[in-house]
Amino acid sequence: DVKVTQSSRYLVKRTGEKVFLECVQDMDHENMFWYRQDPGLGLRLIYFSYDVKMKEKGDIPEGYSVSREKKERFSLILESASTNQTSMYLCASSYAGSSGNTIYFGEGSWLTVV
Amino acid sequence: QQQVKQSPQSLIVQKGGISIINCAYENTAFDYFPWYQQFPGKGPALLIAIRPDVSEKKEGRFTISFNKSAKQFSLHIMDSQPGDSATYFCAAVESNFGNEKLTFGTGTRLTIIP
Repeated sequence: DVKVTQSSRYLVKRTGEKVFLECVQDMDHENMFWYRQDPGLGLRLIYFSYDVKMKEKGDIPEGYSVSREKKERFSLILESASTNQTSMYLCASSYAGSSGNTIYFGEGSWLTVV
Repeated sequence: QQQVKQSPQSLIVQKGGISIINCAYENTAFDYFPWYQQFPGKGPALLIAIRPDVSEKKEGRFTISFNKSAKQFSLHIMDSQPGDSATYFCAAVESNFGNEKLTFGTGTRLTIIP
């Protein structure tokens, strides 16, 4: 069965802390994505990666960075967490050229910054 | 700037009724339009999708209607059931040399009442 695993489902962090959100997929997908989901705003793309060690900015990259050292793993990093980064973060992956019809999402990581 | 506009934000429909969610887009380079269904605590999952060369696609009780000239598309859920209660997202994809990127609408929270 297809699997995108986000290791941390619920986190509470303090302002200024460095936060790592980890995502692993077991489908040998080339593409990986990080979105944040907020009520009334839908899903907004933070960063994406089409290959190992490759990354591209999405629509809202400010305050975030990413790392993709291995094909199956894509990490989202908040260098200095702020309260406006309290949100639900979704990782996703897909085959290259799949036009979105094979994109799979993880179950989300709820981050609260206090 | 929201590239894909979705309405309504929330919708309550009686069991057995028709649920209709609408989306509009501006970017004519979008070439694939999926709909995602998300249950509480879960990531979004692909429900149904359409390409702009057809005006309608039906899968069971779910139908997408697509109006290319108006740049609008909608999801119809026939004979709506309590199990359809979820958040629905429309999305649009711009294929880019095989590396697609999804742009999501803001979501519609659908509640089916008995």
